[in-house]
Amino acid sequence: DVQLVQSGAEVGKPGESLKISCKGSGYTFTDYWIGWVRQKPGKGLEWMGIIYPEDSDTRYNPSFQGQVTISADKSTGTAFLQWSSLKASDTAMYFCARPSSGLADSFDYWGQGTLVTVSS
Amino acid sequence: EIVLTQSPGTLSLSPGERATLSCRTSQSVSPAYFAWYQQKPGQAPRLLIYGAFRRATGIPDRFSGSGSGTDFTLTISRLEPEDFAVYYCQQYGNSPRTFGQGTRIEIK
Repeated sequence: DVQLVQSGAEVGKPGESLKISCKGSGYTFTDYWIGWVRQKPGKGLEWMGIIYPEDSDTRYNPSFQGQVTISADKSTGTAFLQWSSLKASDTAMYFCARPSSGLADSFDYWGQGTLVTVSS
Repeated sequence: EIVLTQSPGTLSLSPGERATLSCRTSQSVSPAYFAWYQQKPGQAPRLLIYGAFRRATGIPDRFSGSGSGTDFTLTISRLEPEDFAVYYCQQYGNSPRTFGQGTRIEIK
């Protein structure tokens, strides 16, 4: 079975760096794109970007370009979302998700979410 | 960026009733690249419909999708207790992919 397992909740301070992870299993990690979706408290879903782990081809939503970095480690089958300098507005739940096949596909599989809280 | 506008914001219905949710896009979207998701509190979203009308694996047939161009609809023929949740539409044919703001179905 396809599974995406995300790292646990994080608390950080403004200005700190942070990296959260999403480990894929039950499929060939390098064959499928993995995306990230933000959900602020009580709000809707925002598509942040997506990466193809085989060659690290990454596409960002312009709203998130330069604000976060998406990466992947083929050797461990893990995708990452990282911030170099957290802001209070980064407080949200972050989901990783995998399309059924290609880049232009719906997200069929989702991680359980990682809650990031940024507070001084 | 294609903006998706869902209506209504909240639907108050009783179990057994029919739910009709609307999603309007700011530009024409190919039905091949249109989806609906369900999200319950504390859970990740779950894919219901892709390609505008194709049910995802394991989704009951009381869920159906339709539409084309700029107007898409999700219909739940008879609401079950587990269907009370928030529903999001998404287009995934243009970059960036975008979601609607959600429609909440609450128990009347």
